[in-house]
Amino acid sequence: LAKTTQPISMDSYEGQEVNITCSHNNIATNDYITWYQQFPSQGPRFIIQGYKTKVTNEVASLFIPADRKSSTLSLPRVSLSDTAVYYCLVGEWDNYGQNFVFGPGTRLSVLP
Amino acid sequence: EAEVAQSPRYKITEKSQAVAFWCDPISGHATLYWYRQILGQGPELLVQFQDESVVDDSQLPKDRFSAERLKGVDSTLKIQPAELGDSAMYLCASRPLAGGNTGELFFGEGSRLTVL
Repeated sequence: LAKTTQPISMDSYEGQEVNITCSHNNIATNDYITWYQQFPSQGPRFIIQGYKTKVTNEVASLFIPADRKSSTLSLPRVSLSDTAVYYCLVGEWDNYGQNFVFGPGTRLSVLP
Repeated sequence: EAEVAQSPRYKITEKSQAVAFWCDPISGHATLYWYRQILGQGPELLVQFQDESVVDDSQLPKDRFSAERLKGVDSTLKIQPAELGDSAMYLCASRPLAGGNTGELFFGEGSRLTVL
């Protein structure tokens, strides 16, 4: 299983760009990188997924270098409502098993 | 927007009692997951269903936990007897069969269990 390492916590201020980096040195060829966001007392919510280079959607960007041993979730101009836990998952998705685990995630606190 | 429904939202029980959680996934989603999340930790997979069949229950404590999805739609997770260490959030998630490599799971709001 690909093991991921993320900072336990980060602080930021409103309006700033936040970058959360995840290390996954033993990522496998078929593994995708997926990020989830979780607010207190709610289930996680899918943010973005990528395989290589850069992926962007209306919420975030995901940067993946050529060696794919790390990835960076970028949140542009955060607001107080972006305070949450962010999970980086690495694995191969199929319908017959799950070969990844949720780590403790990164607790992002956005300050006014 | 379709959602994964879970009930009850909160449950307080005494140890040694039985407790059950219900999940109704998004219509058409063939894959259903039950996770347990202890406060301060990430979700931990308990069981995965593909339609009505169990795909992975390697992390399910089978001496006290059971899960079923009889008609391949909604699902029930049961704990009997409950222990103090079972206090956690129980999350249900679903995913369409044709999800391929898309890692998008749709989670419900969870059922928070407190065992006294």
